[in-house]
Amino acid sequence: DAGITQSPRYKITETGRQVTLMCHQTWSHSYMFWYRQDLGHGLRLIYYSAAADITDKGEVPDGYVVSRSKTENFPLTLESATRSQTSVYFCASSESMDRGKGGANVLTFGAGSRLTVL
Amino acid sequence: GQQLNQSPQSMFIQEGEDVSMNCTSSSIFNTWLWYKQEPGEGPVLLIALYKAGELTSNGRLTAQFGITRKDSFLNISASIPSDVGIYFCAGPGYGNKLVFGAGTILRVKS
Repeated sequence: DAGITQSPRYKITETGRQVTLMCHQTWSHSYMFWYRQDLGHGLRLIYYSAAADITDKGEVPDGYVVSRSKTENFPLTLESATRSQTSVYFCASSESMDRGKGGANVLTFGAGSRLTVL
Repeated sequence: GQQLNQSPQSMFIQEGEDVSMNCTSSSIFNTWLWYKQEPGEGPVLLIALYKAGELTSNGRLTAQFGITRKDSFLNISASIPSDVGIYFCAGPGYGNKLVFGAGTILRVKS
């Protein structure tokens, strides 16, 4: 299917467990992002990637690890899940981050992964 | 870090009413984006604004890029039940990465 897909859509885990959320996009977009959504905070950037093998921290990176060995995939791993990481996680992609181009900064989002840590 | 203040936090309106929401930034933006999130889905882009003073419409939605470049407004005219959702403003933060407002939850009473 064309677009950006996230899996799993729903996950329940226990404190201390490792969890990986998957993200796959079919557009060959250079940029990919992980956001978390919490009530009252909107969407906060966890990590982003400008290209394969290039990743960088966002606003709330602690407790998360990312990798990007292929352009189309950008998995997010919680190495030891905590209750504060209960959230809805959104993956997004973008063709460009260039201020000068029309359409710059426009992100396309996946449908989200709802994670509950007990 | 950069902050976007979005208001109101939530609205519960009668079908057919007009809706207004706004977003202010602590710094100047060169782009304002408005997204809508429906229940169980990811945010979807509604309107993009690239120039101070710009007024752009998308059906019953109209958004404006404030003259000061520190604010933006979204209006929905004659609301209908399918307008329900969370509306987010967004702009380029540090390193040109998007920062989002906390969202406005819109409920429509039919």
